[in-house]
Amino acid sequence: NAGVTQTPKFRILKIGQSMTLQCTQDMNHNYMYWYRQDPGMGLKLIYYSVGAGITDKGEVPNGYNVSRSTTEDFPLRLELAAPSQTSVYFCASSYSELQGGYEQYFGPGTRLTVT
Amino acid sequence: GNSVTQMEGPVTLSEEAFLTINCTYTATGYPSLFWYVQYPGEGLQLLLKATKADDKGSNKGFEATYRKETTSFHLEKGSVQVSDSAVYFCALSGMNRDDKIIFGKGTRLHILP
Repeated sequence: NAGVTQTPKFRILKIGQSMTLQCTQDMNHNYMYWYRQDPGMGLKLIYYSVGAGITDKGEVPNGYNVSRSTTEDFPLRLELAAPSQTSVYFCASSYSELQGGYEQYFGPGTRLTVT
Repeated sequence: GNSVTQMEGPVTLSEEAFLTINCTYTATGYPSLFWYVQYPGEGLQLLLKATKADDKGSNKGFEATYRKETTSFHLEKGSVQVSDSAVYFCALSGMNRDDKIIFGKGTRLHILP
């Protein structure tokens, strides 16, 4: 199994540009998540999904959109990039709800710079 | 609301030293508790977990005990190696269905040979 894969690894955007960060998992997990990691700030949840066709906002959703048309894929869309979105983005998945102690599996991350 | 507080880094130790990274939490009921590790240039991966009070999670020589009375989940290792250099995150998942996992800010660990 490849686990959770993310593309691209690195990207530089100009202010106002848009892009989609791709995330795919091959573990047949129902739950998927997008986080951003800012230096010294830990991880903040952007959006999550509990299954195909179902998405919901996390702690910091402004400026982002997601969709979940299949179990495997969970792309994150930035419509109008801003310098405040410079960060490292991680996609993760889990078999079931985290309240049951299920672990999250993380992708390798996408380092995004907006200038 | 739920929260996690972990000791700030960086923490620098010599090889074979004893390691403790403190983590305390605030939550109602009995959350699940996790330690994740992030090696340079990689995503996070689960190191260990505990889902009920007095449980001890362990992996790769690391241990942490779920202490309800002190609301703590401190990470310990008896003898660290250079390869343990990484960032360590304490995390909590609340009991309610709508609760999301909350991560601490991370503690960077440097082990000197």
